[in-house]
Amino acid sequence: GEDVEQSLFLSVREGDSSVINCTYTDSSSTYLYWYKQEPGAGLQLLTYIFSNMDMKQDQRLTVLLNKKDKHLSLRIADTQTGDSAIYFCAEVRSGGYNKLIFGAGTRLAVHP
Amino acid sequence: GAGVSQSPSNKVTEKGKDVELRCDPISGHTALYWYRQSLGQGLEFLIYFQGNSAPDKSGLPSDRFSAERTGGSVSTLTIQRTQQEDSAVYLCASAHRGSNYGYTFGSGTRLTVV
Repeated sequence: GEDVEQSLFLSVREGDSSVINCTYTDSSSTYLYWYKQEPGAGLQLLTYIFSNMDMKQDQRLTVLLNKKDKHLSLRIADTQTGDSAIYFCAEVRSGGYNKLIFGAGTRLAVHP
Repeated sequence: GAGVSQSPSNKVTEKGKDVELRCDPISGHTALYWYRQSLGQGLEFLIYFQGNSAPDKSGLPSDRFSAERTGGSVSTLTIQRTQQEDSAVYLCASAHRGSNYGYTFGSGTRLTVV
């Protein structure tokens, strides 16, 4: 299909791990991104992964990339209430410049 | 500037009126993008600028939408004869040309058409 797909909602307990999944479409995407949007704010780049990597770890964040299945995931360890936000994955669509195509976003709710 | 600045942050307008939304990108960023985020929806690409030219306008939803960029810096997105379906958050982002490190987004303009 044409769209970057994500599940729309995830609820986790504080302290647990969160896993947000994404399926992208362009097998030639060189970079894939995770953005975070807090209420009333713009999008903040959380992390990115180059397409020749399988995994990238950055403190509590782990990104896994399965190129064969075009599947990207973001794992947040020890999820905190401050992690409550909408998380967007994005792929670079080829075409001469870096045009990011975003999924619909996954709303993460962290409860005590 | 230190970040991408958008103004106004909120705009309420009557149906049929024209609106202008402004984006001031990070100094030195030659690439500028406009996206639209409707309630409960993802980000919809509208237009891309490289310098003052717009090589990709493919996302503009109708001829009521136009955008310009002057001096390779500030951009304005104009919506003529606004309709209720235009209500959304309009986000601007900028980047170094060819950057692989994603975009920097502004906080957006929330447009409400009543």
